[in-house]
Amino acid sequence: DQQVKQNSPSLSVQEGRISILNCDYTNSMFDYFLWYKKYPAEGPTFLISISSIKDKNEDGRFTVFLNKSAKHLSLHIVPSQPGDSAVYFCAASAKTGANNLFFGTGTRLTVIP
Amino acid sequence: DTGVSQNPRHKITKRGQNVTFRCDPISEHNRLYWYRQTLGQGPEFLTYFQNEAQLEKSRLLSDRFSAERPKGSFSTLEIQRTEQGDSAMYLCASSLAQGAGTEAFFGQGTRLTVV
Repeated sequence: DQQVKQNSPSLSVQEGRISILNCDYTNSMFDYFLWYKKYPAEGPTFLISISSIKDKNEDGRFTVFLNKSAKHLSLHIVPSQPGDSAVYFCAASAKTGANNLFFGTGTRLTVIP
Repeated sequence: DTGVSQNPRHKITKRGQNVTFRCDPISEHNRLYWYRQTLGQGPEFLTYFQNEAQLEKSRLLSDRFSAERPKGSFSTLEIQRTEQGDSAMYLCASSLAQGAGTEAFFGQGTRLTVV
């Protein structure tokens, strides 16, 4: 039962343009959402997060938007750079219990120079 | 402290053998997690420790798997009688105690191949 879904396995964007990565979740108990970036043969690297009490969080070129009613979040990268090419995982957690992360299946972003 | 460290980075073993992986978390982090990632999937939660106590195990963690964190610092994950289906990337992560805004930081993982 996939509680966090990333329906686009891949995305290609021209350098300098906006990259938009999408994520949907089903569990209404999730209250914290994160994006991780992963290069081949490395572990996931934390990128940006958002609490359920917010609808937007911005950090430099990266902005995460949360739509709780739609159970949807997105990551915007502007402007996209070739070094952003990686697999991006959306993750979610709930305050109770293990506080472990539930991950989506990832979206491979390719930024074309 | 440069982050979460995992050893070995790669392990190839024959089916039926036992393997053990080690994770050294970020020193001030009291929570330690083990995840498994297979091809085309995101990481899946296996188990976690709060200090030295193992507080939760996923149903993915069969009885061939055992994890320890004896002094609340480093952790080991042992797989006994390995099977080909155990081939995966095993990831360790650490974080501060529970609460909103608690990011988990991952190690580089141990890639296990069972032949």
